[in-house]
Amino acid sequence: GESVGLHLPTLSVQEGDNSIINCAYSNSASDYFIWYKQESGKGPQFIIDIRSNMDKRQGQRVTVLLNKTVKHLSLQIAATQPGDSAVYFCAERPGGNMLTFGGGTRLMVKP
Amino acid sequence: DGGITQSPKYLFRKEGQNVTLSCEQNLNHDAMYWYRQDPGQGLRLIYYSQIVNDFQKGDIAEGYSVSREKKESFPLTVTSAQKNPTAFYLCASRPGQAAYGYTFGSGTRLTVV
Repeated sequence: GESVGLHLPTLSVQEGDNSIINCAYSNSASDYFIWYKQESGKGPQFIIDIRSNMDKRQGQRVTVLLNKTVKHLSLQIAATQPGDSAVYFCAERPGGNMLTFGGGTRLMVKP
Repeated sequence: DGGITQSPKYLFRKEGQNVTLSCEQNLNHDAMYWYRQDPGQGLRLIYYSQIVNDFQKGDIAEGYSVSREKKESFPLTVTSAQKNPTAFYLCASRPGQAAYGYTFGSGTRLTVV
């Protein structure tokens, strides 16, 4: 597979536990945020998004929390499964139609 | 099925050669992007195109070239001027002005041999 993220921060969790992946974004003017999941050798896949007028949004087994005061975004994954093992990264929209991407966190799920 | 297709999945380039990476989408998306991904780093923007026959340089455009002759296609050429081309290249597209999320292709791994 593709050796994406050899030196990324790594979060290791036990199967069935909840995972929390954090992201510090850079631009206080950003009004839209996305979390992507990237499995080895594949392109990033959309997980969940949130606009800046919200502080929480839930999807299926995932929740995104936004704290604009400290420019912090988090992704919570409930009941983490082996298939959740991947690199996760956030993106922000500081203006216009361009996204700026974070460096990513590798999630490893132990059976 | 609608999607964005990158080819080839793996590409090998000899020193001094130009190579072209293909990106095709049938999503009717207006904007298309090329990113480079290196281990331990985030996505870095090479080139982007908002509409047909128009494109702009991103943060690391040196040594690369693109064209956007058709809405569906946004090929990236890695020229011999790119000194360190070994990387994972990702193409993405976005529907239009009111939509912000990108759809990504599956990537091309380019290796210099």
